[in-house]
Amino acid sequence: EAQVTQNPRYLITVTGKKLTVTCSQNMNHEYMSWYRQDPGLGLRQIYYSMNVEVTDKGDVPEGYKVSRKEKRNFPLILESPSPNQTSLYFCASSLIGVNEQFFGPGTRLTVL
Amino acid sequence: AQSVTQLGSHVSVSEGALVLLRCNYSSSVPPYLFWYVQYPNQGLQLLLKYTTGATLVKGINGFEAEFKKSETSFHLTKPSAHMSDAAEYFCAVTEKRNNFNKFYFGSGTKLNVKP
Repeated sequence: EAQVTQNPRYLITVTGKKLTVTCSQNMNHEYMSWYRQDPGLGLRQIYYSMNVEVTDKGDVPEGYKVSRKEKRNFPLILESPSPNQTSLYFCASSLIGVNEQFFGPGTRLTVL
Repeated sequence: AQSVTQLGSHVSVSEGALVLLRCNYSSSVPPYLFWYVQYPNQGLQLLLKYTTGATLVKGINGFEAEFKKSETSFHLTKPSAHMSDAAEYFCAVTEKRNNFNKFYFGSGTKLNVKP
């Protein structure tokens, strides 16, 4: 089944404790992206990647890192999480030049 | 940068009534337009999209949307609401950048369907 998977689905952590949210897709998509969803703000792009080893900042990159060492995986790293990063995070992927993005199920992160 | 405006963060309709969710965008060139639906505790699922051609686009679950360039609008409609339509709906527009299409999302509209 074609899908985007994210782990964990739920995470509660404390300020400053490094964490990684994994994202994997099995559709051989070149383009992958991370979004955060906050009430009243819709989805805002954090980082995106056009292909392996090619990443760039989105609209709200501060406090986040990403890597793209393999085509299927695009982990989101929070080196020192803060409470303002409490949010719902979505990973998405698509083929280059094709408009539809496929979304993962989301990761709800709470930073205390 | 694009902006997408969804009028009404919450819309409530009775079962069987018309659903109308509004979306306006700021692009000055013909964009690609999308509606996504998010059911509770799930990711976003594509409802329909407009790229080129016919301006009235039909999607899944009986939804449709009409691209009106003169009004920079892409409103989502469904003739008769069903309880299962209760969800959050996001309008999105793309802007071409560096050989890919960057997505801009509206803030979302939560649809409540009353029995």
